[in-house]
Amino acid sequence: QPVLSQPTSLSASPGASARFTCTLRSGINVGTYSIYWYQQKPGSLPRYLLTYKSDTDKQQGSGVPSRFSGSKDASTNAGLLLISGLQSEDEADYFCAIWYSSAVVFGGGTKLTVL
Amino acid sequence: QVHLVQSGAEVKKPGASVKVSCKASGYTFTSSEVHWVRQATGQGLEWMGWMNPNSGNTGYAQKFQGRVSMTRDTSISTAYMELHSLRSEDTAVYYCARGVGKNSNAFDNWGQGTVVTVSS
Repeated sequence: QPVLSQPTSLSASPGASARFTCTLRSGINVGTYSIYWYQQKPGSLPRYLLTYKSDTDKQQGSGVPSRFSGSKDASTNAGLLLISGLQSEDEADYFCAIWYSSAVVFGGGTKLTVL
Repeated sequence: QVHLVQSGAEVKKPGASVKVSCKASGYTFTSSEVHWVRQATGQGLEWMGWMNPNSGNTGYAQKFQGRVSMTRDTSISTAYMELHSLRSEDTAVYYCARGVGKNSNAFDNWGQGTVVTVSS
């Protein structure tokens, strides 16, 4: 089982909200980790969105709108990326990452379709 | 403004080595870690390792231990990633990224990417 699991795809309508999950493998407690989120549009390099560990320990990337936010769901051991007021330009791949066992580990990514 | 500018595309034969450069500007090169991440076509992001430009200390992903080397030349604010014993599976876009934040693991600026093609 991979360290981080992400759904391969997600669809949502313009103006709606999107909720991305990044589930940590059983035995790895999400509460302990900072979760990093990146956006990658087709043909472009990745863009740093934000870091979320807790409501008092979080960081927004430079120029990243506040409609992008992070959270956690302890009940499912998952880090969350929330995008409100979806726009067509948000269509992209979204990757999560953590620092685990002396390495950066990326999730497989979720492709967001805005339709 | 922070910029990371990487060297150009490379085509290599299996068994060869490739060295990719990443020239930093717009910030103090020795103040932030440099990480290397690769991405095969249509695939996800794969972290390769990090280097502290100030100390030269490095840390590599277990998968690349013994096959990768990350170095720097502080006089020209440039980081290097060299990958040896190339195989076809190493064909990918290689990115350098600046690590920031509490543990230097937020990659806030990325190079434009270097395409490395391994083919006989």
